[in-house]
Order: sequence, then C-alpha cells, then structure tokens
Amino acid sequence: QAVVTQEPSLTVSPGGTVTLTCGSSTGVVTSGHHTHWFQQKPGQAPRTLIYDTTNKFFWTPARFSGSLLGGRAALTLSGAQPEDEAEYHCVLYYNVVRVFGGGTKLTVL
Amino acid sequence: QVQLVQSGAEVKKPGASVKVSCKTSGYTLTSNYIHWVRQAPGQRLEWVGIINPSGVTTTNSQKFQGRVTVTRDTSTSTVYMELSSLRPEDTAIYYCASDHYDYWGQGTLVAVSS
Repeated sequence: QAVVTQEPSLTVSPGGTVTLTCGSSTGVVTSGHHTHWFQQKPGQAPRTLIYDTTNKFFWTPARFSGSLLGGRAALTLSGAQPEDEAEYHCVLYYNVVRVFGGGTKLTVL
Repeated sequence: QVQLVQSGAEVKKPGASVKVSCKTSGYTLTSNYIHWVRQAPGQRLEWVGIINPSGVTTTNSQKFQGRVTVTRDTSTSTVYMELSSLRPEDTAIYYCASDHYDYWGQGTLVAVSS
C-alpha cells in the first residue's frame, strides 16, 4: 500500500503564511489523487477544508487554499490566526482505496 | 440538513466482533458514498472502507485482511461497519463520513481489552 507523507510539525507566526504538503511514495501527486485536507483540533472530529485538490466548502476560511506544488499536494494558509493551531491531515485516492498522511501539527506562535 | 449519527461506545474482548452503525438523515445512500475512518489514540487517521451508491463496498484489505464488513439498510438510512477478530490495537474512535468527508459522524469509541 502507498505511504502518504506530511511534515510532522510546522510553526507559523500570526499573520504569516505557511504551506503544508502531502506526498506519495508512488511518485508525483496529481489531480487524480483527489486530495482532501482536514483540520482537527483536540477532542474533535476532523473538519474538511479542501476537497479534490483545490475546492473549498462554504465553511472554509478564505485564507486556506489547496494546490499541487513540486509533485506534492499543498495546503497554504495565508494570514494565520491563533485559531488555526491544529493538526492537519491529507488523504489521497488510489483507485478506490484511500490513504491518509500522518498529519502535520501546526503551531501558531 | 445532513446528519450522521453513530451508535455508542463499545468495550469488547480480544477475538470478539463489533458492529458500529451510522444513521443518516438528509443524505440519500443510493446516491452517495459513506466512508469509515478510524483514529487510534495519538495516531494518524486511517481509512477503513467505503460503500458506494450501488451498495458495493471496498475495504482497506491490506490493513484489515478481510476483518471488515460494511453494509447498509436503505430502509432505515443506516450504514454499518463490522470489525471481527478484534485486537487491542483496534482500539480507536471510528467515524463515518460522507462523500467528500464534508459531514462526519460524532465518532464511536471501540475499546478492546481483556
């Protein structure tokens, strides 16, 4: 089974910009992997921010955006807020089977 | 409004089976997918399986080696995830989620302990 990798932890200053990435052991991440991004705070269920690589839900703050970058899927946060401190997960699609990454703990400090 | 409501926490002994339900409202199972995802304490999210609008299921067979069964009852708008031959490492919160993971159940804690 493929392995999906994320940065274990990142730190961003309030108001700053940070990019989280999601890579695949099988090679380049493409739109065909239908990347989803989730935010999870302690004790809560995940909340989906981005679906199908770039699409947002109505509840997704405008400061979050999804893209493909350097062979990986990327989640960019522009103008970080204290409430953005959380764990961020990605999931990739591999011909029906989905595989989650290990998550990135984002600190806003 | 879409809602996914899961059954309550379960405590099981190793080797037993558990069946978790996910009752949907405002969500047509014959037109949409339902995913099952789990999260062990302090661990990553793990994809368990999916049931498609036709009722066809796909599971994470490499991880669960045939121990997972996903079924549904369209008359009650409920999806079920059954995990057999439970092991202590199956202790986790099990979630159901909609098509694009836009709606999630509240999670069901399954604890496996002798």
